[in-house]
Amino acid sequence: ETGVTQSPTHLIKTRGQQVTLRCSSQSGHNTVSWYQQALGQGPQFIFQYYREEENGRGNFPPRFSGLQFPNYSSELNVNALELDDSALYLCASSLGGFRDEQFFGPGTRLTVL
Amino acid sequence: DAKTTQPNSMESNEEEPVHLPCNHSTISGTDYIHWYRQLPSQGPEYVIHGLTSNVNNRMASLAIAEDRKSSTLILHRATLRDAAVYYCLHKAGNMLTFGGGTRLMVKP
Repeated sequence: ETGVTQSPTHLIKTRGQQVTLRCSSQSGHNTVSWYQQALGQGPQFIFQYYREEENGRGNFPPRFSGLQFPNYSSELNVNALELDDSALYLCASSLGGFRDEQFFGPGTRLTVL
Repeated sequence: DAKTTQPNSMESNEEEPVHLPCNHSTISGTDYIHWYRQLPSQGPEYVIHGLTSNVNNRMASLAIAEDRKSSTLILHRATLRDAAVYYCLHKAGNMLTFGGGTRLMVKP
């Protein structure tokens, strides 16, 4: 059974650019959630996708957007990058519903210069 | 917003039990209480979850107060590999809210 994978591992961008991060969910999981984790803080919920539809969103501006594909893999897109977007971006997959255990990937470290 | 309160850090000796407390006074009647932990340079890892009654699994036990406004994660015998940040959280709406967590240090 393959776990949650994310790509790339590290990424450096400059302010104003756009970035796409990718996540492959664990086999059989239809729900993907994305989190932003600043250094020294807990993860902050960005949004969740269930069967290709957005199913909940945290307090993030519209320049954070996402997609989920028919194979349940997912993308996180961030436009007009700001310095404060520098963080570890985590995705987590689950069978659906927040009662269920979420399986997290190792994250993508984004640095905005 | 769903908020939880945990001590910033705790220390334990190896092979001793550890009790990690959490207050979740805003929890509603149908919110599950989840615990995750995050080892250095890794994504969070599920530990345990429960609703009302106490729960046990191979990693830990979860004791939930009768009024559900607090819970305690119990590691029965701490090992060096248990050194991590432990997060207590519950669902409000469709989102999980992580707080600052408790950094557990385990001394040999």
